[in-house]
This record gives sequence, structure tokens and C-alpha cells, in this order.
Amino acid sequence: DAGITQSPRHKVTETGTPVTLRCHQTENHRYMYWYRQDPGHGLRLIHYSYGVKDTDKGEVSDGYSVSRSKTEDFLLTLESATSSQTSVYFCAISETANTEAFFGQGTRLTVV
Amino acid sequence: DQQVKQNSPSLSVQEGRISILNCDYTNSMFDYFLWYKKYPAEGPTFLISISSIKDKNEDGRFTVFLNKSAKHLSLHIVPSQPGDSAVYFCAATLNYGGSQGNLIFGKGTKLSVKP
Repeated sequence: DAGITQSPRHKVTETGTPVTLRCHQTENHRYMYWYRQDPGHGLRLIHYSYGVKDTDKGEVSDGYSVSRSKTEDFLLTLESATSSQTSVYFCAISETANTEAFFGQGTRLTVV
Repeated sequence: DQQVKQNSPSLSVQEGRISILNCDYTNSMFDYFLWYKKYPAEGPTFLISISSIKDKNEDGRFTVFLNKSAKHLSLHIVPSQPGDSAVYFCAATLNYGGSQGNLIFGKGTKLSVKP
């Protein structure tokens, strides 16, 4: 299995609070991604990174920010959590843009 | 607007028969296509991929076909096994300019293989 660790695995938080999810990889892959999975929507890209300090927005980036200060870590921050951000969040990594991405186990986030 | 579409939310097949999962895309600049399988409470796992310069790629029981003119790809599983029951996601990426690495997924098709 690819070395990807997401933390925390489960979190319950209150509306309006900031939340940070962490993705850590041991594969030294250049690309890292954050997705959310919701019923009826499949996997939607939030943000991705193509190198240290190089990030770009995905399809559903509003309300989210990311940072990548080291190759191995990609942080996703919900600046002020809302109930619509209740979801399962997946981190993924890939060596290049045209190779398969490997996914972490997911973080289940509930905003109450 | 959805760039990668899986129009069948679910598919049910008998064990031993062929499963065919379909995927359509709208962006002609996509140049790499992938299929992922996902079990409940797990992350998606990579299954098979195909470059836009090919029209077929085979790996064991899994074959992916790409029809660029129709902007359509399909995943064939032969023979289907109960352990193949999962949600299958089609994905595409492009490799130019500022959008390099933007991996886009369809909504998924839930495959059920009945014994």
C-alpha cells in the first residue's frame, strides 16, 4: 500500500469553527489532492498541489484552503465549518500528472 | 458542468458473466483515463488506466476501451466475481498548462455481482 496517512480519521466539530485535516505521505510524490465524497456527487476535487507551495483550486474549493510547506504534508483547512461541509474527505497522491493516484483511507467529518 | 459522466448509477450482473461499465467525457484535451474501485469505508483503489494514444488496455480480467471520437470509455470485467461488487469510478486528467494534474472523477457506478 502507498504510504498515505490521513488524520484525524473521524471528527465532529461545531458550525463556525476552523478545522484542519492532514495528509502525510512517505512516497515523495509530487502531486497531492484533496477530494470530498458525497452521495450522488461521487468524488469532487477541492484543491490539489503540484509541488511545495504550488497549489490550485479544484471544482469545489469555496470555503477551503490548503497549504503544502513540505513535500510530505498537504493540509486542508475549513476556515469556518458549515453543515454543508459534512462529508468524507480523501487525500490522494501521484508521482506525475499522468500516473495513477493512490488514496488514503479517508476522514469522516461531521459539522453540527 | 460535469466533464466526466457515468450515466448508470448501478449495474447488476450474474457471477461469471461480463460486466460493462461506461463513462463519457466532454473535454477533448483529456489525455489519460483511469478506473478506480471503491469498497465502503475504504479509499478508492486504482484498477486500470489508458493513455489517449491507445484504444485498449488489458490487465487480467479487466479491459478498458477508449473511443476518442465518441469521447467514451468502458471497463469490461470478464468473468465477473462477487468480490467485484463495489462502486467503480471513471477518472480523467489532462497534461497541459496550468491545469496539469487536475484529476476529475465521475459520480460512480455501483456494481453488484450476484452468485
